[in-house]
Amino acid sequence: DAGITQSPRHKVTETGTPVTLRCHQTENHRYMYWYRQDPGHGLRLIHYSYGVKDTDKGEVSDGYSVSRSKTEDFLLTLESATSSQTSVYFCASGLGGTQYFGPGTRLLVL
Amino acid sequence: DQQVKQNSPSLSVQEGRISILNCDYTNSMFDYFLWYKKYPAEGPTFLISISSIKDKNEDGRFTVFLNKSAKHLSLHIVPSQPGDSAVYFCAASDTNAGKSTFGDGTTLTVKP
Repeated sequence: DAGITQSPRHKVTETGTPVTLRCHQTENHRYMYWYRQDPGHGLRLIHYSYGVKDTDKGEVSDGYSVSRSKTEDFLLTLESATSSQTSVYFCASGLGGTQYFGPGTRLLVL
Repeated sequence: DQQVKQNSPSLSVQEGRISILNCDYTNSMFDYFLWYKKYPAEGPTFLISISSIKDKNEDGRFTVFLNKSAKHLSLHIVPSQPGDSAVYFCAASDTNAGKSTFGDGTTLTVKP
């Protein structure tokens, strides 16, 4: 399995505060992805990266930004957290086909 | 409009029998298809994949079938085991774009 970790694993925050989630991979994969999983919606792509400093939006990108300054790290920022962003967030990495997922971050926005 | 659909939210089968999970897609640009398995409180893990140039791929108890004309793929698990109980996600990929679109998942329960 690809070495991919996420931090923090759990977070509780208040509406209006910024939140940053971190993803770290050790496989030198070109692509990295951020998804959110909500009941009844499967995995929805927030943003993805196809190289250092190269990112693009996914289907649910509003309210989120990302940065990738190194191959191994991909950060997801909720600029001003809202209750609708309460979710489980998964990071993944890969070479363009198969993706390897992290263990997830459970975020609760009060 | 949802490009990848798993129309059955849940499936229950008896241990030892066959499990068949289905997936439909709409985008003709998809050229690579994958199934992932997810246990509670864990990230999804890759299970099996198939390229659009093939119609079948087999890996042990798991077989994926692709019908391009119908834009349909299925995952067969034979024989099913209680440890197979999980959520199964179908994904379709446009490898030129480097990203995948996922279905909503099917929860499989295998009863002993």
